[in-house]
Amino acid sequence: GAGVSQSPRYKVAKRGQDVALRCDPISGHVSLFWYQQALGQGPEFLTYFQNEAQLDKSGLPSDRFFAERPEGSVSTLKIQRTQQEDSAVYLCASTQPGDRSYNEQFFGPGTRLTVL
Amino acid sequence: DAKTTQPTSMDCAEGRAANLPCNHSTISGNEYVYWYRQIHSQGPQYIIHGLKNNETNEMASLIITEDRKSSTLILPHATLRDTAVYYCIGKSYNTDKLIFGTGTRLQVFP
Repeated sequence: GAGVSQSPRYKVAKRGQDVALRCDPISGHVSLFWYQQALGQGPEFLTYFQNEAQLDKSGLPSDRFFAERPEGSVSTLKIQRTQQEDSAVYLCASTQPGDRSYNEQFFGPGTRLTVL
Repeated sequence: DAKTTQPTSMDCAEGRAANLPCNHSTISGNEYVYWYRQIHSQGPQYIIHGLKNNETNEMASLIITEDRKSSTLILPHATLRDTAVYYCIGKSYNTDKLIFGTGTRLQVFP
């Protein structure tokens, strides 16, 4: 079956440009997460949605980062005025919450953002 | 969420068991131990999780010490496709986000 998809897979931006990264979660999954993964590091949490509600955005590194999920399905992570330190792989994950003792998150392949 | 400590890297011969250790001495009673792995250029993939009992599924086994301060992920017959970074994560029952560390890079060699 279809997993989590992300687009584009690769994005090159000039410093100062705005970018938008898209995530299509698994159909029916209520929860959606964004993570940022710098080279050689583990993924770091950015933000979390349950349906269209953004319940946790504590990991967003600055106000240049903005995420939305207006209809509770597809989500977009937007980065304004990109900086070189924004270069990373951006991962999206979705899950169907229920029993909180079991929380398998399904990850997409990520979008590799390179800011020149 | 509990801070976990893992070796930076490990090697394993193909066909042998790979035993990946994780220390989580500060884990609290309501925190689960989760394992994910990340194959190069892919997103992380769930492997297994447990609270205090040992767990086994089609991918791996998870052995948690009685005091819950450490655990071991066991891949019983490692293959080349198991080469990946393995993350041990202590996750509270009260949160949904995952806090990754830097993981263990497992290299399976022929």
